[in-house]
Amino acid sequence: GENVEQHPSTLSVQEGDSAVIKCTYSDSASNYFPWYKQELGKRPQLIIDIRSNVGEKKDQRIAVTLNKTAKHFSLHITETQPEDSAVYFCAMGGGGNKLTFGTGTQLKVEL
Amino acid sequence: SQTIHQWPATLVQPVGSPLSLECTVEGTSNPNLYWYRQAAGRGLQLLFYSVGIGQISSEVPQNLSASRPQDRQFILSSKKLLLSDSGFYLCAWTWGLAGYQQYFGPGTRLTVT
Repeated sequence: GENVEQHPSTLSVQEGDSAVIKCTYSDSASNYFPWYKQELGKRPQLIIDIRSNVGEKKDQRIAVTLNKTAKHFSLHITETQPEDSAVYFCAMGGGGNKLTFGTGTQLKVEL
Repeated sequence: SQTIHQWPATLVQPVGSPLSLECTVEGTSNPNLYWYRQAAGRGLQLLFYSVGIGQISSEVPQNLSASRPQDRQFILSSKKLLLSDSGFYLCAWTWGLAGYQQYFGPGTRLTVT
């Protein structure tokens, strides 16, 4: 069935460093790959997404890259700030009107 | 603009009691609607989704049920709650032109005692 693996489960970086979270999938029909940020006690918020016809997308300090051949996509956060601390979820969609989510990465940005 | 509401925000219920959580969407028509559950410190588990009035797809067999009595209303119910039903319940919506972009409601935090 549809499955997406997310790594690492926890990530600690120093303020100003970059953070990278990677997800791999197996379903070749997947064509939509969003990333969500969830702060403690709040709802997940869509922060960036990419479709299979695009290899990279940037929005200020965040970017997502997609490698369709290797079936993996990654979230890149540059110049990390304390407010970037949160749980990040990757997801994929490929039909069936639903998304499959990764297990989440707890990012901690230390001062 | 579109807005999604959930209520109640928090709920404490005893084991064996019934449950009814409500989700409504404003500013759009014919959305796809979703119910997720998130246990403490865990990921998002899709419970049900609906592509139209009266149409419900169940992802996980359990003691929960869902209904969609109106286009922009989605209800999650249970006849008898279990301790394992505790969690953060999130409703989400998406619409045709947005593709798969799902937007979440504020959630209901349920504690079963």
